[in-house]
Amino acid sequence: NAGVTQTPKFQVLKTGQSMTLQCAQDMNHEYMSWYRQDPGMGLRLIHYSVGAGITDQGEVPNGYNVSRSTTEDFPLRLLSAAPSQTSVYFCASSYSQESQETQYFGPGTRLLVL
Amino acid sequence: SQQGEEDPQALSIQEGENATMNCSYKTSINNLQWYRQNSGRGLVHLILIRSNEREKHSGRLRVTLDTSKKSSSLLITASRAADTASYFCATDTGRRALTFGSGTRLQVQP
Repeated sequence: NAGVTQTPKFQVLKTGQSMTLQCAQDMNHEYMSWYRQDPGMGLRLIHYSVGAGITDQGEVPNGYNVSRSTTEDFPLRLLSAAPSQTSVYFCASSYSQESQETQYFGPGTRLLVL
Repeated sequence: SQQGEEDPQALSIQEGENATMNCSYKTSINNLQWYRQNSGRGLVHLILIRSNEREKHSGRLRVTLDTSKKSSSLLITASRAADTASYFCATDTGRRALTFGSGTRLQVQP
């Protein structure tokens, strides 16, 4: 199994540009989530999904959209990039929908917004 | 504010010594998890302790949980240079999402 994969690894955007961060998992996990990690801080939840067709907001959802058309994929869209969205983005997946068991993380996408 | 707060923020020890880091949280939990993050990498799950458990071991790791004090500790025994990483606690409060603390940066000097 490849586990959780994320593309791209690095991205530089100009303010106002849009882009999609890709996330895929091959473990047949129902639960997937997106976090952002800023220097000196822990991970903050952006959006999550408990199954195909079901998404919900996390702690910091503004400026981001998600969709879950398949169990495997959970893309994160930046609608109009802002410098405040410069961060490292992690996708994670978990078998359980309800209580949060072990989460498996992708390697991250480093995003710089100029 | 963070549900989980690690203490200390940074810790530097010599190889072979034990490393202890603490996590405090604010609301009741279903379980508490510890993750490790090597520089520039994703998080890796280390251990999960449920709210009805008080202590758990995995290899050189020992985790304790005190729900009355809303705190947990992670002990790494006989540390190695390869243990150098950031360590995060994460709490499951039953809200379909984990809440992470800001982490402890551990440096193990060879």
